[in-house]
Amino acid sequence: AQRVTQPEKLLSVFKGAPVELKCNYSYSGSPELFWYVQYSRQRLQLLLRHISRESIKGFTADLNKGETSFHLKKPFAQEEDSAMYYCALSQRNAGNMLTFGGGTRLMVKP
Amino acid sequence: NAGVTQTPKFQVLKTGQSMTLQCAQDMNHNSMYWYRQDPGMGLRLIYYSASEGTTDKGEVPNGYNVSRLNKREFSLRLESAAPSQTSVYFCASSVGGSFEKLFFGSGTQLSVL
Repeated sequence: AQRVTQPEKLLSVFKGAPVELKCNYSYSGSPELFWYVQYSRQRLQLLLRHISRESIKGFTADLNKGETSFHLKKPFAQEEDSAMYYCALSQRNAGNMLTFGGGTRLMVKP
Repeated sequence: NAGVTQTPKFQVLKTGQSMTLQCAQDMNHNSMYWYRQDPGMGLRLIYYSASEGTTDKGEVPNGYNVSRLNKREFSLRLESAAPSQTSVYFCASSVGGSFEKLFFGSGTQLSVL
């Protein structure tokens, strides 16, 4: 069965510091991976997906199939990055199941 | 453009009571989903509907039923609420499957006493 693990429930950094939110997955097929973000009092929304290989709000994430990881990184954290971040995995060939990790709360201190 | 609309936003039930959570989307999406969000456990899929007229169980379907009333609407029913169903419930929709971008509603905070 597919599984997504976010080992840190809370990550606290100072403004300007680098950020790395960890995500590991277990899945035997070819995964599609996503990062979703929920800012305070806002809806959960897509931040980025691995197949797009894009940078959104300064965040990037690289799929490492050897380490089965999809860590989210930003070189210089901003206070407005404070939010709940969820890593998610989807399998194209097994229905419409999007599996989420437990989430990491990022707090960026001034 | 409202996107995904959920009602109610808050609800308190007594054990054994029933209720229906409503969800509607105006983006002409084919797929709709119900998730529950619990601290430390992320979002878990309860039921989903890949297209109008079809529904399938997700990861945690026990104690819930769903109805895909039409392309726009996907409701979630608790027939006999239990304290373990205290959670925040999110409805979501996407154009195709979950590999597409999901659009989420604002959530329903449900407490079962």
